[in-house]
Amino acid sequence: GAVVSQHPSRVICKSGTSVKIECRSLDFQATTMFWYRQFPKQSLMLMATSNEGSKATYEQGVEKDKFLINHASLTLSTLTVTSAHPEDSSFYICSAPTEQDATDTQYFGPGTRLTVL
Amino acid sequence: RKEVEQDPGPFNVPEGATVAFNCTYSNSASQSFFWYRQDCRKEPKLLMSVYSSGNEDGRFTAQLNRASQYISLLIRDSKLSDSATYLCVVNPTGNQFYFGTGTSLTVIP
Repeated sequence: GAVVSQHPSRVICKSGTSVKIECRSLDFQATTMFWYRQFPKQSLMLMATSNEGSKATYEQGVEKDKFLINHASLTLSTLTVTSAHPEDSSFYICSAPTEQDATDTQYFGPGTRLTVL
Repeated sequence: RKEVEQDPGPFNVPEGATVAFNCTYSNSASQSFFWYRQDCRKEPKLLMSVYSSGNEDGRFTAQLNRASQYISLLIRDSKLSDSATYLCVVNPTGNQFYFGTGTSLTVIP
């Protein structure tokens, strides 16, 4: 299957700092990527859709000024958590769709575990 | 109404048992359906796509019922390693993907 990478896999930061997470599609191009957040024992929650060449689309309740998304190229999207607070501690996962058997299939990155102290 | 609904479980079954999960979806025009498996503290991984005619991969069988708008996943001869959360995903159109909340399965020795 297609490969999506994320970096870093784990980050611990102080409250008030900003953290950038990268999501890369390694063997395919992705005009669209998705960013999710998952709190312990809860389901994935879609935060935003990252669009190459245009603004990201944010889900209701997600602050666009706090979670900055930049889809810099067809293989890279970044999520920056600005002025992080302890409540932002979570597992952040990106995904990208790629066509398989004439159907778009989602492939997920390995996730980034963010801990804000 | 949610786009995709799943019974969160948990399902606790003995080794060797057969277990089935259902997932209902609200958009009747949805075209693509998937089952993903997520292990604790890991990302979801594609288990199988769900085709209109149904499909089987070893001990796993996925089926689609368009009339009743649900997809199912059947696991036969459960193994301890099948313990995970199973997510159904519906792709109504284009790049929209909707996830169920996941069904937790624990296979007990």
